[in-house]
Amino acid sequence: DVKVTQSSRYLVKRTGEKVFLECVQDMDHENMFWYRQDPGLGLRLIYFSYDVKMKEKGDIPEGYSVSREKKERFSLILESASTNQTSMYLCASSPPAQETQYFGPGTRLLVL
Amino acid sequence: QQQVKQSPQSLIVQKGGIPIINCAYENTAFDYFPWYQQFPGKGPALLIAIRPDVSEKKEGRFTISFNKSAKQFSLHIMDSQPGDSATYFCAARKGGYNKLIFGAGTRLAVHP
Repeated sequence: DVKVTQSSRYLVKRTGEKVFLECVQDMDHENMFWYRQDPGLGLRLIYFSYDVKMKEKGDIPEGYSVSREKKERFSLILESASTNQTSMYLCASSPPAQETQYFGPGTRLLVL
Repeated sequence: QQQVKQSPQSLIVQKGGIPIINCAYENTAFDYFPWYQQFPGKGPALLIAIRPDVSEKKEGRFTISFNKSAKQFSLHIMDSQPGDSATYFCAARKGGYNKLIFGAGTRLAVHP
């Protein structure tokens, strides 16, 4: 079974803090993705990575950066958290030859 | 700008009813259309998917109908059960690396 884990289920941070969200997958997938999920907006792609150290911007990259130093781990970084980044963050992975994306359980981030 | 428009936002049916969720898209370059199911506290999971060269795909009680000329596709759930109560997202794949664009989601409640 594919397993995608996210470091925290719930996180509370202060405005201006640097925030790290970690995602780990155990299936040697090349592709990894970060989404944010907001009511009425669905899932929106923030960044994705198709290989170690390779990354591309998604549809809403402003205010975020990512890091992929190892194949199994993909980190989302909020350089200076703001209240409008309060959201559910979902990580996903997929192998290159398969279309299914496998999602982690999500991290609910509250920025005060 | 939402490239995949999903409706309705929420839906309530009685057990045994046939809920229908609709999605529309504009970009004819989309080449793969999955539906994801999300239960509370969980990440989305692939439910069923279709390619644009097929007009219908059925898996168990779930059916996708695809109308290429109208650029619309829909999910039908036959003999719906309370256990089908979840949020459903349609999506479309754009370009390489398996990037998906999601609809806004439909919250389905199936009452016993």
